[in-house]
Amino acid sequence: GAGVSQSPSNKVTEKGKDVELRCDPISGHTALYWYRQSLGQGLEFLIYFQGNSAPDKSGLPSDRFSAERTGGSVSTLTIQRTQQEDSAVYLCASSPGTGSYEQYFGPGTRLTVT
Amino acid sequence: EDQVTQSPEALRLQEGESSSLNCSYTVSGLRGLFWYRQDPGKGPEFLFTLYSAGEEKEKERLKATLTKKESFLHITAPKPEDSATYLCAVQHSGSARQLTFGSGTQLTVLP
Repeated sequence: GAGVSQSPSNKVTEKGKDVELRCDPISGHTALYWYRQSLGQGLEFLIYFQGNSAPDKSGLPSDRFSAERTGGSVSTLTIQRTQQEDSAVYLCASSPGTGSYEQYFGPGTRLTVT
Repeated sequence: EDQVTQSPEALRLQEGESSSLNCSYTVSGLRGLFWYRQDPGKGPEFLFTLYSAGEEKEKERLKATLTKKESFLHITAPKPEDSATYLCAVQHSGSARQLTFGSGTQLTVLP
């Protein structure tokens, strides 16, 4: 079946602009995660959605970052007033949510802030 | 706070030369330990989940094992196509579901 998809694959933006990154999870997966992978650093957790529950936002680095998940499926990560330190690969993952904990990752969006 | 340390950072092997990658972890109650493979420019690809000490999982030339403090990824007779970064991650048994990742081992298998 189809895996996790993300768009765009690459995004170049100017400092101070807002960007939106999109994630389509695997059909039927109730859990969705956003992570960030910076050059030379490991994957860093950002936010987690599980069904209709309130999201776990504990990993968001600042209030410039927000995310929503519409209809329990597609998710959008928004970064406002982008800074150069926001440059990274943003990865989305989904998981069945109950009884199975492995997370399946999309290809990522490479964000470059100039 | 959950911590994951992987070693070595980089490993170069000749084709057919078996070796092991190490993942040491500290977690307040382990729900699962996960191994992923990541190729350049791609997202991590799920390999294994281990849930309890003593558990082993195998897939082709890879075998993952788990103790109470660490996990090993054994690579038997590797081929050049096994070259990738191998990531280890833990999920603790609390309500949070996110994974805490190590920094990875970059494996290069030379023909």
